[in-house]
Amino acid sequence: GEDVEQSLFLSVREGDSSVINCTYTDSSSTYLYWYKQEPGAGLQLLTYIFSNMDMKQDQRLTVLLNKKDKHLSLRIADTQTGDSAIYFCAEMSDSWGKLQFGAGTQVVVTP
Amino acid sequence: DAGVTQSPTHLIKTRGQQVTLRCSPKSGHDTVSWYQQALGQGPQFIFQYYEEEERQRGNFPDRFSGHQFPNYSSELNVNALLLGDSALYLCASSGGSGGFKEETQYFGPGTRLLVL
Repeated sequence: GEDVEQSLFLSVREGDSSVINCTYTDSSSTYLYWYKQEPGAGLQLLTYIFSNMDMKQDQRLTVLLNKKDKHLSLRIADTQTGDSAIYFCAEMSDSWGKLQFGAGTQVVVTP
Repeated sequence: DAGVTQSPTHLIKTRGQQVTLRCSPKSGHDTVSWYQQALGQGPQFIFQYYEEEERQRGNFPDRFSGHQFPNYSSELNVNALLLGDSALYLCASSGGSGGFKEETQYFGPGTRLLVL
């Protein structure tokens, strides 16, 4: 079956690094995504990684993928107050485009 | 270049009524997916439309139906509304240029539906 799990809450001080973790169960996952949702808004695509990659860096964002453990993480360097939001991990296991989401991790950045 | 747009932004209905939500995909995209996001949860896949046909469906009852028009815009219809249908309904578009870009989904702002 398909299941994506995330920790529910993360508190981080402004300027520190944030690490959000995600585990998935579908070994056939081809693409893995991180989306950001601010209050009252839709989902903003942050970054993605192919299943044949181990790491991807995009400015302040670093994605790490451990395929053996089916573990995905998102690191945000120099976290800012504007990074406060809910972050969703999602997997796509087929080419038709069905995304399976986790429940989201609420990140709160304190001054 | 306009992104994904949805209408209306908010909607209040009563149990048993029917509702239609609308979505216009990002320019150049030909595939529309619909998701339901209940409060405090991640989005759940409802269905996906491509070439005016439902290509894939999630675990939702037949009360949920859709349509895609020749201009790639889409509608989501929900009949016989239940209290549990209260949620944020998100539309995502993708495709149009082949390769990986077909798999990247861009989301609209959503329609918040409240069923009383």
